[in-house]
Amino acid sequence: DQQVKQNSPSLSVQEGRISILNCDYTNSMFDYFLWYKKYPAEGPTFLISISSIKDKNEDGRFTVFLNKSAKHLSLHIVPSQPGDSAVYFCAASDGGNKLVFGAGTILRVKS
Amino acid sequence: DTAVSQTPKYLVTQMGNDKSIKCEQNLGHDTMYWYKQDSKKFLKIMFSYNNKELIINETVPNRFSPKSPDKAHLNLHINSLELGDSAVYFCASSHGLAGGFNEQFFGPGTRLTVL
Repeated sequence: DQQVKQNSPSLSVQEGRISILNCDYTNSMFDYFLWYKKYPAEGPTFLISISSIKDKNEDGRFTVFLNKSAKHLSLHIVPSQPGDSAVYFCAASDGGNKLVFGAGTILRVKS
Repeated sequence: DTAVSQTPKYLVTQMGNDKSIKCEQNLGHDTMYWYKQDSKKFLKIMFSYNNKELIINETVPNRFSPKSPDKAHLNLHINSLELGDSAVYFCASSHGLAGGFNEQFFGPGTRLTVL
């Protein structure tokens, strides 16, 4: 039962262009969403989050959009840089004590 | 000055053996977690401890036994290892109970291979 889905296993983008990573969820009780970034041989690190009372949150080059009616969120990275190449995990919480993660999307930014 | 550390980084062992993975955090957090990343790449919560008390146990086989000697440590002991236990295990910590509002900090992971 995959409550958080990242349907694109990988994404390749040219340096300087926009990267859009997508995430869908099925549990309508989720009220907080996060994106984590993971480099090889390292643990995930927190990137950006959004509460369900908002539809957009921006932090520098990173913006997360939330569409609650569609149960969909996306992470935009503008402009993309080679150092952004990593695995990006979408995660969600229902206010309980745990996060539910998606399977991740591998982003490759080509220079 | 690593925030969340795990040992060992790699662990290769035979089926049926018992092994432990250690986790330590120096962030002063009071909540620690164990996650399993299986072959399908999903990160799934296994256990969570808050102030040394178990608060999450996600239907993990009882061959897995977490132990928290103090707030800075959460070790994972696995008995009678099976092939399906092969995965990457991540330890994490947070300040307070993390329903998502409290950022979780992850260790580098331990890759367990059961032969």
